Amino acid sequence: DAKTTQPPSMDCAEGRAANLPCNHSTISGNEYVYWYRQIHSQGPQYIIHGLKNNETNEMASLIITEDRKSSTLILPHATLRDTAVYYCIVRPLDNYGQNFVFGPGTRLSVLP
Amino acid sequence: DAGITQSPRHKVTETGTPVTLRCHQTENHRYMYWYRQDPGHGLRLIHYSYGVKDTDKGEVSDGYSVSRSKTEDFLLTLESATSSQTSVYFCASREQGRGNQPQHFGDGTRLSIL
Repeated sequence: DAKTTQPPSMDCAEGRAANLPCNHSTISGNEYVYWYRQIHSQGPQYIIHGLKNNETNEMASLIITEDRKSSTLILPHATLRDTAVYYCIVRPLDNYGQNFVFGPGTRLSVLP
Repeated sequence: DAGITQSPRHKVTETGTPVTLRCHQTENHRYMYWYRQDPGHGLRLIHYSYGVKDTDKGEVSDGYSVSRSKTEDFLLTLESATSSQTSVYFCASREQGRGNQPQHFGDGTRLSIL
């Protein structure tokens, strides 16, 4: 069963903020939201993760709604190098090696 | 990403030959994973390791074996390669921590079985 729903594609103008939505309406209390991206021919790159509070790092911000049923990844000033497939993943806290399940993601195209 | 190196990066071989892919990480991470990525299927877990000599199967483990004799190295072996195993293979690692640590991926091995 798909745990997350993302739009298949989005466009963003270079220099503008890219806001990528993710729906995870069946998320459980101990499940974290992770975001990865994959640039063509490269391995998935970790971006950010969070449980219920908003998070920010040098790459992006993660906004999680109060009911935790959806989240938004924000790239504040998108560049052409941010063109990639972005994956939203929901996964529980664990102490052994459960894998990350990658869905089809959102293909973000940053346009000049 | 996070000191993960995969080798070789590209390989072409023939059906029926054995193939070993290597994953090396310098982060002293406890957990390591092998995935394959195919069009229309996304990333699928082949095997994973939760410590030296401790491994377990993922969702697409048939035809693959793994070994982990050292923390830093995780080997994936195709005993007798088939054309259906043509794919891009990614290795990942994760530290133990509190259980919410992300996986970090290598840049992949593109394997073609002719």
